[in-house]
Amino acid sequence: GAVVSQHPSWVICKSGTSVKIECRSLDFQATTMFWYRQFPKQSLMLMATSNEGSKATYEQGVEKDKFLINHASLTLSTLTVTSAHPEDSSFYICSARDMTRGTDTQYFGPGTRLTVL
Amino acid sequence: DAKTTQPPSMDCAEGRAANLPCNHSTISGNEYVYWYRQIHSQGPQYIIHGLKNNETNEMASLIITEDRKSSTLILPHATLRDTAVYYCIARSNDYKLSFGAGTTVTVRA
Repeated sequence: GAVVSQHPSWVICKSGTSVKIECRSLDFQATTMFWYRQFPKQSLMLMATSNEGSKATYEQGVEKDKFLINHASLTLSTLTVTSAHPEDSSFYICSARDMTRGTDTQYFGPGTRLTVL
Repeated sequence: DAKTTQPPSMDCAEGRAANLPCNHSTISGNEYVYWYRQIHSQGPQYIIHGLKNNETNEMASLIITEDRKSSTLILPHATLRDTAVYYCIARSNDYKLSFGAGTTVTVRA
């Protein structure tokens, strides 16, 4: 399967600071990437859809000014959690949509664990 | 989006086939069925997907009923490393994946 990476794999930050998480498709180009959040013992919740060269679309209840998404190239999307607070502590996972292999499949990154103190 | 229903948990014996059921009675004609699994503290791993026909790859087989209202994921020879949460998803036309609670599969030696 296709490979998607995330960086960093974990991060600890102080309340009020901003954190940037990168998502890269390593062996394919992805015009569409997705960002999810997962709290302990819960399932993945879609936060937003990231489209290369255009603005992200956010799911209901997700603050676009708090979770800034940039998809500047076909292999990179970034999620910036601005003014992070302890309630933003979560497991953030991205996926990239691969349409290059004759199929249409989302491949997921390994996730980034954010802890806000 | 079509809702899927899976049993919350199941156990299976190492070396035996594991059959994971999924109901998707409201699925529309052009919605694909996707299966992913998530091992603790990792991102979901793609397993297989299908529309109408049965599918097989190196990881698993997917059996879809003729009326498309249910499907079964088959892991032919379960190993301890197959212990994970398995998600059955009916992918919407906007290509979003909606994750439910999934089935927690525990493979026992």
